[in-house]
Amino acid sequence: DAMVIQNPRYQVTQFGKPVTLSCSQTLNHNVMYWYQQKSSQAPKLLFHYYDKDFNNEADTPDNFQSRRPNTSFCFLDIRSPGLGDAAMYLCATSTTVGADTQYFGPGTRLTVL
Amino acid sequence: AQKVTQAQTEISVVEKEDVTLDCVYETRDTTYYLFWYKQPPSGELVFLIRRNSFDEQNEISGRYSWNFQKSTSSFNFTITASQVVDSAVYFCALSEARAGRRALTFGSGTRLQVQP
Repeated sequence: DAMVIQNPRYQVTQFGKPVTLSCSQTLNHNVMYWYQQKSSQAPKLLFHYYDKDFNNEADTPDNFQSRRPNTSFCFLDIRSPGLGDAAMYLCATSTTVGADTQYFGPGTRLTVL
Repeated sequence: AQKVTQAQTEISVVEKEDVTLDCVYETRDTTYYLFWYKQPPSGELVFLIRRNSFDEQNEISGRYSWNFQKSTSSFNFTITASQVVDSAVYFCALSEARAGRRALTFGSGTRLQVQP
């Protein structure tokens, strides 16, 4: 089955220690998104790639970076995690931006000690 | 600016009861898309339905049905004969179709608890 895969499902890191979260997709979609979801809140878009074009949300902290080496993979790098970065990180894909349905992966729950 | 309101923070029902989750949206665009997603305790957001602004037909899928009314800017979701497996957080979301628009605007979610 075509799907969106995220690894790891659970990640524990220490305050200030860089961490990378991974997302891969078999849907061959052009667009990949990263969302942050804190407890009891709606997902918040951090950025997205349309093919190789990177689109950052205006309020995404510089601490968050992303890489998309090819169509299938996209990475979220948190350079210096703070306690406030503990959250669920959701990857999603869609064929195009805007109206198309976004399909989400299972998420990575990040704990910062 | 677009906005989605889910006024019901949490709903608790007993199994086999029908339950309706409300969603009210705001947008200045004439072309837009509405979505419902389910988020079970495992965390994954599961796509349920996508409806465009020109299609006001109600939709039924098994025990799920959706009522879209442009006149009241609402897109409500009804679960008939609820089951324990329906327990989850449900998000309503809006996307505008203008070129360059890329974000889903989510409501704050409604947590549904179905008691056995």
